[in-house]
Amino acid sequence: AQSVTQLDSQVPVFEEAPVELRCNYSSSVSVYLFWYVQYPNQGLQLLLKYLSGSTLVKGINGFEAEFNKSQTSFHLRKPSVHISDTAEYFCAVQSISGGYNKLIFGAGTRLAVHP
Amino acid sequence: DGGITQSPKYLFRKEGQNVTLSCEQNLNHDAMYWYRQDPGQGLRLIYYSQIVNDFQKGDIAEGYSVSREKKESFPLTVTSAQKNPTAFYLCASSWGQGAGDEQYFGPGTRLTVT
Repeated sequence: AQSVTQLDSQVPVFEEAPVELRCNYSSSVSVYLFWYVQYPNQGLQLLLKYLSGSTLVKGINGFEAEFNKSQTSFHLRKPSVHISDTAEYFCAVQSISGGYNKLIFGAGTRLAVHP
Repeated sequence: DGGITQSPKYLFRKEGQNVTLSCEQNLNHDAMYWYRQDPGQGLRLIYYSQIVNDFQKGDIAEGYSVSREKKESFPLTVTSAQKNPTAFYLCASSWGQGAGDEQYFGPGTRLTVT
């Protein structure tokens, strides 16, 4: 079975500081990984995804993530955050079983950017 | 504009009543999904459908029912059998094929049952 663990439920950070949101996964098959962002009372929006190839994946809004197979991690990073990055971030792994695609989500990390 | 619409944004019901949440997409996606979101628990899959007239139970299907009579519509009924129905409900859709199948999400419906 596949699972996702987001290691921090909340991350406070000051504006213009760098941030890393940590995600570990477990999977016995090929891994396809995603990061989504959710602004308050809204749906989720895709930030980036890893399918194969380069382990460093660039996404929208200046975010990037690095896939590390040996550590089974997919941490999300941004070198300088803005107040507008305050949101909840979800890491997810894709599960393909019997022809059906499903996403398995972590519990989320709430990023709070302070001035 | 292509996208997913969910209505209403806020819904209030009395305990013991069934309630149906609407989800419509005009992305021509084959697959549709319903998730429930509770604070600190992330998203949990309720039901999903890969094609019209077919759907599968997700991880927490008890107390919920769905139908998929049209490609663009996937309504969710929260029945009186659902013990804790108050939550934020998210609908999503995708092409439903292969690796990296990105899910697109609607804005959600917040259901409060008292």
